[in-house]
Amino acid sequence: AQTVTQSQPEMSVQEAETVTLSCTYDTSESDYYLFWYKQPPSRQMILVIRQEAYKQQNATENRFSVNFQKAAKSFSLKISDSQLGDAAMYFCAYRSAWSNFGNEKLTFGTGTRLTIIP
Amino acid sequence: NAGVMQNPRHLVRRRGQEARLRCSPMKGHSHVYWYRQLPEEGLKFMVYLQKENIIDESGMPKERFSAEFPKEGPSILRIQQVVRGDSAAYFCASSDPRGDGHTFGSGTRLTVV
Repeated sequence: AQTVTQSQPEMSVQEAETVTLSCTYDTSESDYYLFWYKQPPSRQMILVIRQEAYKQQNATENRFSVNFQKAAKSFSLKISDSQLGDAAMYFCAYRSAWSNFGNEKLTFGTGTRLTIIP
Repeated sequence: NAGVMQNPRHLVRRRGQEARLRCSPMKGHSHVYWYRQLPEEGLKFMVYLQKENIIDESGMPKERFSAEFPKEGPSILRIQQVVRGDSAAYFCASSDPRGDGHTFGSGTRLTVV
């Protein structure tokens, strides 16, 4: 079974600075997807970024980028130029690339609460 | 497109009562997933359904919990004889058969008193 570990329960960063959230995972599969989701106080789960394991290039979405180290099974999220609206819980998630009957179930980490200091 | 609709947003039940949580997937989506989020934890997979079929229920508790996704109407997660430990946020997500990933609803927060 796959597991996802987020070892930082809480992080804080000064507004406009850069912060990196850590995620490690364990799997015996060679092909899979990794995700970062943001959950603000509204509780809505918002997809931040997605990485496909067979792609060596790190995914980037505006101020958000990842450092994907497949051999180390590490998938960290970097947020540049932090803004007050970035304050939220951030969850790392794993999904196998192989599915029975289209099953895309996700395995989540326990999350990191990010606080932005004005 | 209204996205994934869950209702109610908040639900309070007394111990021993039944809870029914509803999820209407996005238009065009025929795959539904239910997840549970206990306080200060990540989401845990419960069940994956397609229309009229339960495909994977490996995360469902063996007793008191059931799910359905009928041909017509929303998917329902049903919890019978609720206990305090059932208090959590329950999220529904839907996807289409092409595998473009989950779209989440806003969740139902169940409180058992």
